[in-house]
Amino acid sequence: NAGVTQTPKFQVLKTGQSMTLQCAQDMNHEYMSWYRQDPGMGLRLIHYSVGAGITDQGEVPNGYNVSRSTTEDFPLRLLSAAPSQTSVYFCASSYKSGANVLTFGAGSRLTVL
Amino acid sequence: GQQLNQSPQSMFIQEGEDVSMNCTSSSIFNTWLWYKQDPGEGPVLLIALYKAGELTSNGRLTAQFGITRKDSFLNISASIPSDVGIYFCAGPNYNAGGTSYGKLTFGQGTILTVHP
Repeated sequence: NAGVTQTPKFQVLKTGQSMTLQCAQDMNHEYMSWYRQDPGMGLRLIHYSVGAGITDQGEVPNGYNVSRSTTEDFPLRLLSAAPSQTSVYFCASSYKSGANVLTFGAGSRLTVL
Repeated sequence: GQQLNQSPQSMFIQEGEDVSMNCTSSSIFNTWLWYKQDPGEGPVLLIALYKAGELTSNGRLTAQFGITRKDSFLNISASIPSDVGIYFCAGPNYNAGGTSYGKLTFGQGTILTVHP
């Protein structure tokens, strides 16, 4: 049972480049979400999904897109990377019945030059 | 929006010492959660609290849900080197219909360093 798998673990981009952070879970969780972690600011919600085909914005959605075509996968897309998007990104998932008990992936560290 | 303030921001302690940290909110929460993040990993849930005044233990960890519902406390007894990490408090972020959908508001974190 792998839990929540994120790829890549590290990525360096130049300003203006695009990329996709991948997230997959094998626990059949209904809810999935993306957070970013910046020093001294805790984790902030970017986007979340309550099921396949349903996504919504979190606290800091600008510059990011998401989609959820299957229960298992929830990729995060950066359309035109900016230095302000340098951060550590975490994907998380949870059951509908225990929505607040999140299982997190190991994180993806992104640097935008 | 909701904000959670954790203190202290960092702690440097000797192995064997007890640790106390707290989290305060400007608004009421009906659930408090404490997560721990090991270096290079994602956060893992330590303790969940669901009732004002509740005191819950998980091994050497004890957490309390403040009676005002605007604060929570986490204590670690007899610290060991593997307690090193960042400790986050968190609360659900409910929509108008009263469902959180797994959306959490996190505090800034308390960084714990334990010297052997």
